[in-house]
Amino acid sequence: QKEVEQDPGPLSVPEGAIVSLNCTYSNSAFQYFMWYRQYSRKGPELLMYTYSSGNKEDGRFTAQVDKSSKYISLFIRDSQPSDSATYLCAMSPGGTSYGKLTFGQGTILTVHP
Amino acid sequence: DGGITQSPKYLFRKEGQNVTLSCEQNLNHDAMYWYRQDPGQGLRLIYYSQIVNDFQKGDIAEGYSVSREKKESFPLTVTSAQKNPTAFYLCASSWGGASYNEQFFGPGTRLTVL
Repeated sequence: QKEVEQDPGPLSVPEGAIVSLNCTYSNSAFQYFMWYRQYSRKGPELLMYTYSSGNKEDGRFTAQVDKSSKYISLFIRDSQPSDSATYLCAMSPGGTSYGKLTFGQGTILTVHP
Repeated sequence: DGGITQSPKYLFRKEGQNVTLSCEQNLNHDAMYWYRQDPGQGLRLIYYSQIVNDFQKGDIAEGYSVSREKKESFPLTVTSAQKNPTAFYLCASSWGGASYNEQFFGPGTRLTVL
């Protein structure tokens, strides 16, 4: 079993829809949770960075962390065709393992006009 | 412009050859990382370096080697011992401390073994 599981999709939604992307994990030591967006044939870019449980909002993006369920989510409101990309979740225990990120497989999202 | 550059963008290698992938950053970041990405998979950590002249193995270091002689440079050598080197290689960098987790990525090098 992988430490981080992410539904690979693909996920296809109409423009304006609310998108929910999810990851589950098994390592209870994970404290830091990240979401990256990766356009085709490009390097990932950091979208959201959260510590421990709770919500964080940035524009149309909201990240949620539920450590009790070992479950994290990224919500995209009013989705746009430019949001079409692969979304990767990543996690780290911190401490002496700062910087050692474990990634999910990525979810391919297509937003069609 | 500040950022991370990787070269070359595409690289072809014959079996049995060693190749070196370049990664340079001008962000004055302390730490640098190398990841490998295979189709339909997430990123897997090969090596990372938190300070100059020091580096640590990641999850899949076998068949790879690195050096960190300068803060801004972290080249990766893919040796002939790497059994399946065809992949997309990504370099990243970050500040130190708690910011180790906030990693910024370069554009990647796509390596193909012929």
